[in-house]
Parts: sequence; C-alpha cells; structure tokens
Amino acid sequence: EAQVTQNPRYLITVTGKKLTVTCSQNMNHEYMSWYRQDPGLGLRQIYYSMNVEVTDKGDVPEGYKVSRKEKRNFPLILESPSPNQTSLYFCASGAGANYGYTFGSGTRLTVV
Amino acid sequence: KQEVTQIPAALSVPEGENLVLNCSFTDSAIYNLQWFRQDPGKGLTSLLLIQSSQREQTSGRLNASLDKSSGRSTLYIAASQPGDSATYLCAVRPRGDYKLSFGAGTTVTVRA
Repeated sequence: EAQVTQNPRYLITVTGKKLTVTCSQNMNHEYMSWYRQDPGLGLRQIYYSMNVEVTDKGDVPEGYKVSRKEKRNFPLILESPSPNQTSLYFCASGAGANYGYTFGSGTRLTVV
Repeated sequence: KQEVTQIPAALSVPEGENLVLNCSFTDSAIYNLQWFRQDPGKGLTSLLLIQSSQREQTSGRLNASLDKSSGRSTLYIAASQPGDSATYLCAVRPRGDYKLSFGAGTTVTVRA
C-alpha cells in the first residue's frame, strides 16, 4: 500500500530533550515536506526537500532540523524542544507537478 | 502570496442533505488544487485532485469543480451521511512552487 509513515504517533517530552520524528514513504517520491498544524493558524510548512541531500526552509523553520540522506526518509529533528513546539506534525510526499501530495497520519507532540 | 479562504467555517446539516463547500484563492497561477478530509486529531486524507487545466473531478458521491480564472473551487457531497462529519481542507499548489497553501477548513457535522 502506498503510504507515508510517521513515528511516533504521540510523544510527550520535556523541554530541551532532543527528539526525532521519523517519516518514510514507499512511493519513490522525490519531494517530501514537514508541516505543523495549530488551532487558529492552520497548516504551516516547516521544511521541505526536493531530492536527496537537497533541503530548504519553509515558513516556520526555527527550532527544527531535517536531513535527506535517502530518498524514502525525511526525519524531523528538534534539537532543544520548547513548549511552543507543542503541535500536530505532518509529513507529506509528492511526485511531479501533475500529482497531489500524500500525508502521513500525524505526530502529536507535547513539550512540557 | 497565495491566500486560500474557505467558507463557511462550519456547517451542520441533517442526514441526506447535499453539502456545498467553498474554497477561494487569490492567485490563479496554480498547478492544481487538492481537497482533503481530516477527522479530529487525525491525518489528512486526499479526496480529489484537480489539475489547473480541468474543470471538475468526481469520485463516488464527491464532485469538485474548479474555476481557475475566478479563483474558486467547490466541493459537493451528495446525500450526506453522519460518517461525512469531518473537517474539509482545500490546498492550492502555486505554479513554480512545491509548497501547498491551505485554507483554514470547513468543519462539517451531519446530524442523524
């Protein structure tokens, strides 16, 4: 089944403790992206990647890092999480301009 | 900057009634428009993808139209059911960009 898989689905952590949210897609898509969703602010792009070793900032990149060492994986790294990073996170992947995007099931992150 | 607006923000209808959800966008230079469904706290499920050259797409009880020149799309859901209760998001992919611009969504409640 074609899908984008995120792990974990839920995570509660403490301020300053480094964490990684994994994202993997099995569709051989070149493009991958991370979004966060917050009440009243909607979905905002954090980082995106056009291909292996090619990443760029989205609208809200502060406090996040990403890497794209393999085509299928695009982990999101929070080096020192803060409470304002409490949010619902989505990973997405897509092919060319004529195709839509596939989203993962989301990761609910709470930073206390 | 592309801005996407969805009206109404919320909608409550009795079972069996047809649903009409509206999406407008400010810049007509787009690759495509995608409609998603989101259940509370869950991921985004793609419903329909309309390319910029298309006028409409249909899948089962769902029909989406696109009027690119006026910057509008409408999602029709025929004979609504309680299981259609969810938030519906439209997202526009601007030409020359990989980032999706999302509307804030319409939250639909179908009463049994």
